[in-house]
Amino acid sequence: QQQVKQSPQSLIVQKGGISIINCAYENTAFDYFPWYQQFPGKGPALLIAIRPDVSEKKEGRFTISFNKSAKQFSLHIMDSQPGDSATYFCAASTAGSGTYKYIFGTGTRLKVLA
Amino acid sequence: DAGITQSPRHKVTETGTPVTLRCHQTENHRYMYWYRQDPGHGLRLIHYSYGVKDTDKGEVSDGYSVSRSKTEDFLLTLESATSSQTSVYFCAISTPSAGNTIYFGEGSWLTVV
Repeated sequence: QQQVKQSPQSLIVQKGGISIINCAYENTAFDYFPWYQQFPGKGPALLIAIRPDVSEKKEGRFTISFNKSAKQFSLHIMDSQPGDSATYFCAASTAGSGTYKYIFGTGTRLKVLA
Repeated sequence: DAGITQSPRHKVTETGTPVTLRCHQTENHRYMYWYRQDPGHGLRLIHYSYGVKDTDKGEVSDGYSVSRSKTEDFLLTLESATSSQTSVYFCAISTPSAGNTIYFGEGSWLTVV
């Protein structure tokens, strides 16, 4: 029940295309859903996040779509660029007790071809 | 940059030896975390701390211990390193002023031979 399932494991997209990464969860207590971007040799960095009271959040070329009833959320990267090539992790958390313990997906390695 | 410094950044050690990784933060964050990252497993929580001398286990705590004697330092110790502990270790912090957001350090690459 604590798992967050992420797909696909890897993704190749042409420059200018749309990259879509999906995540599914089971625990309805999760109330915060961030996406992290990680470049080789670096730590993961927060990209965008959403709470379950909204169905979509957009920041520049990055959009999270959230489906509470299906317990799924996805990251859309519009106009994908070679600089977007990285590993992306979805996560889910609950804010109980003031500590923010995240459950992470297994990651998606995105490669954008020039 | 959340003011997190991890050391060492790279280490090779032998099976059975103790290893300590250090996480140092400069911004007085209350919550600190140690994660490990492995292919096919994503990021998994090892231990976390919610204050000086206040720590608790995560989902993969076996073989690891932690200590936090000062707000700024969170130490992760592998008591007797095994090859299965070859991994990339990330320290992270969170702070109430930034909501639920966790910020990661740059990582420590540990190889146990």
